[in-house]
Amino acid sequence: GQQVMQIPQYQHVQEGEDFTTYCNSSTTLSNIQWYKQRPGGHPVFLIQLVKSGEVKKQKRLTFQFGEAKKNSSLHITATQTTDVGTYFCAGPGGATNKLIFGTGTLLAVQP
Amino acid sequence: DSGVTQTPKHLITATGQRVTLRCSPRSGDLSVYWYQQSLDQGLQFLIQYYNGEERAKGNILERFSAQQFPDLHSELNLSSLELGDSALYFCASRPGTASVGTQYFGPGTRLTVL
Repeated sequence: GQQVMQIPQYQHVQEGEDFTTYCNSSTTLSNIQWYKQRPGGHPVFLIQLVKSGEVKKQKRLTFQFGEAKKNSSLHITATQTTDVGTYFCAGPGGATNKLIFGTGTLLAVQP
Repeated sequence: DSGVTQTPKHLITATGQRVTLRCSPRSGDLSVYWYQQSLDQGLQFLIQYYNGEERAKGNILERFSAQQFPDLHSELNLSSLELGDSALYFCASRPGTASVGTQYFGPGTRLTVL
């Protein structure tokens, strides 16, 4: 079945360092969404990318959708302690467009 | 606050028991999704309902069942509970079933099976 993998599984950075997580789907996606889950919290929608090669920015966060629409990345510039959490990518799968979530990347930021 | 509510927040029960988790979607949302999140399995899609009808099934065990009522709230029933069923259970809602559009997650129910 359709699989969405993310690397790395875990990243520990010093505050101020950059961070990137990569998302790869086994199938072409019509769109990709990114969610953030704080420790003890629930996934919260960050952004959606639809077009091939699309790049979107939200302050220090930059999201990219690959040209083949099978991969995506999230880059955080100058991490802050508030960035701590697990970042998930997700893409629609199957005839009913249920979301298939990636394996997630846990980001730890040391002050 | 996403507008999605889930009750209870925490549930502790014993193996072999049956529990019901409840979800109220955002006002106007017709689609409800259930997910299981455990430490080693990530976010696993269980089942989706749209306007009262089952639309998609994921990795949902036969011991688990769900339904969506006319007022659009949904319940997830877990029976013959096993230790491995301990997890966070989230529901999420969205207006329809189109491929674009975010899902809004509830705060989750943490189930502990002893």
